[in-house]
Amino acid sequence: GENVEQHPSTLSVQEGDSAVIKCTYSDSASNYFPWYKQELGKGPQLIIDIRSNVGEKKDQRIAVTLNKTAKHFSLHITETQPEDSAVYFCAASWAQGGATNKLIFGTGTLLAVQP
Amino acid sequence: NAGVTQTPKFQVLKTGQSMTLQCAQDMNHEYMSWYRQDPGMGLRLIHYSVGAGITDQGEVPNGYNVSRSTTEDFPLRLLSAAPSQTSVYFCASTEGGGYTGELFFGEGSRLTVL
Repeated sequence: GENVEQHPSTLSVQEGDSAVIKCTYSDSASNYFPWYKQELGKGPQLIIDIRSNVGEKKDQRIAVTLNKTAKHFSLHITETQPEDSAVYFCAASWAQGGATNKLIFGTGTLLAVQP
Repeated sequence: NAGVTQTPKFQVLKTGQSMTLQCAQDMNHEYMSWYRQDPGMGLRLIHYSVGAGITDQGEVPNGYNVSRSTTEDFPLRLLSAAPSQTSVYFCASTEGGGYTGELFFGEGSRLTVL
């Protein structure tokens, strides 16, 4: 099955700096890679996603890059703000028997943005 | 729309007791799933359903049962609770039968097994 590794587990940056979180996946058939943000006491929320036919996607201060050959993808947050402090999860879809019906998550990164 | 609603938010059980975590969604989503979240382990898929009457196992299904009699509801049953099942449980749903877009999560149910 699919295995997703995420690094680092914790990340502390100064407000205004950039933050980068990296994930690798094992199943070359995976074709959908979302990123979720989880604030304290809440459920995760989708912030950005990328599909395997695209190398990069941006949404304001957030960007995701995908390298299918190396089987890794990264989340980039620029001009970080205190409200970016949260746990971030990467994930990869896992197709089994032709049906993409499982989403496997990484172990999470706790991002702390220091004012 | 309320989205995905989980009850209860908190529960304490003794070893061997059984209970059901409730999950309901009002978005007419075909796909529903249960995850557990443990420190350092991320979110792990327990069971999922691609539509009413259809369920399947995820990564960590042992000790849990699910059923899907309606599109709206997807309860998770703990048959005989064990301390290893102490965790935060999240229910999630998405439109369609597979991962084509956003997964909507509930706010979680924190379970402690003594």
